[in-house]
Amino acid sequence: GENVEQHPSTLSVQEGDSAVIKCTYSDSASNYFPWYKQELGKGPQLIIDIRSNVGEKKDQRIAVTLNKTAKHFSLHITETQPEDSAVYFCAASRGGGGSQGNLIFGKGTKLSVKP
Amino acid sequence: DSGVTQTPKHLITATGQRVTLRCSPRSGDLSVYWYQQSLDQGLQFLIQYYNGEERAKGNILERFSAQQFPDLHSELNLSSLELGDSALYFCASSDPRDYTFGSGTRLTVV
Repeated sequence: GENVEQHPSTLSVQEGDSAVIKCTYSDSASNYFPWYKQELGKGPQLIIDIRSNVGEKKDQRIAVTLNKTAKHFSLHITETQPEDSAVYFCAASRGGGGSQGNLIFGKGTKLSVKP
Repeated sequence: DSGVTQTPKHLITATGQRVTLRCSPRSGDLSVYWYQQSLDQGLQFLIQYYNGEERAKGNILERFSAQQFPDLHSELNLSSLELGDSALYFCASSDPRDYTFGSGTRLTVV
C-alpha cells in the first residue's frame, strides 16, 4: 500500500532562519499533497497543499515543491518565528470522482524555533 | 472552528468496555474519515465512509467498527478496549478540494 516517509523527525532552528521538511511517497497515483500543522492538544490544520499538476506553490512565508518524477515533495518555511513551533505532517492521497481518497501521513516533524 | 465537530473531547474508561465516538462533518462534505493518533504511530488511517457507504479500510482492528448515518454524521465504536487503545481519535471530512479535521477525542483506557 501507499507509504509516506518524512524527514527529519525533529528540527531546531533559530528565529529568522529557514526550515525545510522533506517527504517521499510510494503510490504513483497520488495526486494531492497537503501539509498540516498540529499544535499541542489540537487537530491537524491545513497550512498549504499542492496538486500533481503544479510544481510549486507559495503562500507568504510557506512554500511547497513537488517533484512527481522523484515522488518527492518538500515544505519550506522562511523567516521562522517562535509561533511556527509545532509538529508538521505531510500527507498524500488519490482523488477523483467527487471523493478524495484517504490521506496517508508521514510520521511528523517536530519543529522548534528558538528566539 | 474547522466545521468538523467531535464529541466527546475526553473519555476515560476501563479495559474491556465499549465506547462510541461521534463526528459531524463540515457542512456539505460527503466523506468522513477516522484516524488514530498515538505517540509512536503518528496518524493512522482507520476507515472512510462516503455518503453512507464504506469506501476504504485501513489498519482498523476487528474490535472497532464505524458507520455513517443518513444525516452524514459518523460514529466510531470501540469495544473490548485494551490499554493500547489509548490514543487521540480524529475525524476528518472532505470535499473535492480539501480535508478538514476535528479537534479529536482523547481516549484513555485504564
